[in-house]
Amino acid sequence: SQQGEEDPQALSIQEGENATMNCSYKTSINNLQWYRQNSGRGLVHLILIRSNEREKHSGRLRVTLDTSKKSSSLLITASRAADTASYFCATAPLDSSYKLIFGSGTRLLVRP
Amino acid sequence: DAGVIQSPRHEVTEMGQEVTLRCKPISGHNSLFWYRQTMMRGLELLIYFNNNVPIDDSGMPEDRFSAKMPNASFSTLKIQPSEPRDSAVYFCASSLGQGVAPLHFGNGTRLTVT
Repeated sequence: SQQGEEDPQALSIQEGENATMNCSYKTSINNLQWYRQNSGRGLVHLILIRSNEREKHSGRLRVTLDTSKKSSSLLITASRAADTASYFCATAPLDSSYKLIFGSGTRLLVRP
Repeated sequence: DAGVIQSPRHEVTEMGQEVTLRCKPISGHNSLFWYRQTMMRGLELLIYFNNNVPIDDSGMPEDRFSAKMPNASFSTLKIQPSEPRDSAVYFCASSLGQGVAPLHFGNGTRLTVT
């Protein structure tokens, strides 16, 4: 079964609004990563947060990690139409950190 | 850097035929992964190579699937014989290091088996 599950499955917002996506996972992890996938393309790495970190920023992206709740969130601020894509969280288990396990993804639609 | 290059982008074949998917990882990356993406099962890791050696092939669904990495710049995923349930998008990804490094994905091969 998949390690990570994203919530919501789909999200539709207006340009300029913030988008928040959540990810829950089951086992202890080395790190958690977020990826973006545009239709018909491969996944693109956005940000990596290690298990001993609680928050990380990269441009308009903010990621939080709560290892006690086994959950993470991705916040995209001031969204743009170009942010429309699917977003996936991926976890690297402690015992096999090479084995990134992807969640089912959140489909984000940003309306112009 | 050209990124991870996969070929072909699309493959349509009949059940029973052999299919070979190809991947050129980013130069200098020592880890290579093959993933499969379907609507029903999402992204599944099929096989992981490190320094051209298969480390984990536990995700390979059946003996019909095989993967090779004869050198650091080339890998193949072969399905023989193919079946309709193999229809999916197959991604190759590479990274520098093991596990803690981000994956760089190719644009995938969309396989349709009729």
